[in-house]
Amino acid sequence: NAGVTQTPKFRILKIGQSMTLQCAQDMNHNYMYWYRQDPGMGLKLIYYSVGAGITDKGEVPNGYNVSRSTTEDFPLRLELAAPSQTSVYFCASRPSGNYGYTFGSGTRLTVV
Amino acid sequence: GQQLNQSPQSMFIQEGEDVSMNCTSSSIFNTWLWYKQDPGEGPVLLIALYKAGELTSNGRLTAQFGITRKDSFLNISASIPSDVGIYFCAGPPGGATNKLIFGTGTLLAVQP
Repeated sequence: NAGVTQTPKFRILKIGQSMTLQCAQDMNHNYMYWYRQDPGMGLKLIYYSVGAGITDKGEVPNGYNVSRSTTEDFPLRLELAAPSQTSVYFCASRPSGNYGYTFGSGTRLTVV
Repeated sequence: GQQLNQSPQSMFIQEGEDVSMNCTSSSIFNTWLWYKQDPGEGPVLLIALYKAGELTSNGRLTAQFGITRKDSFLNISASIPSDVGIYFCAGPPGGATNKLIFGTGTLLAVQP
């Protein structure tokens, strides 16, 4: 089925380790987003991209990096993981012209 | 930054009851969206509102764009067990069209 695919679904990291959360969409959407959702909370925007080669910071970008070399892929990089980055991470995409975001099923990350 | 505050935070109701929830902001929004998040999944778009005063339905769900443009309302009629989840309002902050911020969420539990 077409949609947004996130990998991995679960991950445990030790403090100071690094990892990349993968996100891919096959709907040819220009816009892609990374959100984090802490327990019992809403979603906070980390980074977003309006097209290949263009990225911008959201509300909570510190400790993360992104790249957008293709329309399909929008990986999120965590350098030097910290316990405060324990969260569920959602990737989303949308087409130009409307706000109908399609979300992936999330990556649950625990930093210990 | 701009915030979207939702109330109530949580609701515990009996199957068949009607539900009302709202979302407020200190600043004007030009678009309001309502999403539902099932447990363990990403949010799914329910209704999009683009004009002050607009009333839009999607099955048993009805949402309204407040005339002040600082609030929005979601009603669910004759609730059923599968309505369980977290309901989020969302909107583009400060007139920006590239991104959405999400509200704090309303958790709905439905007792059969």
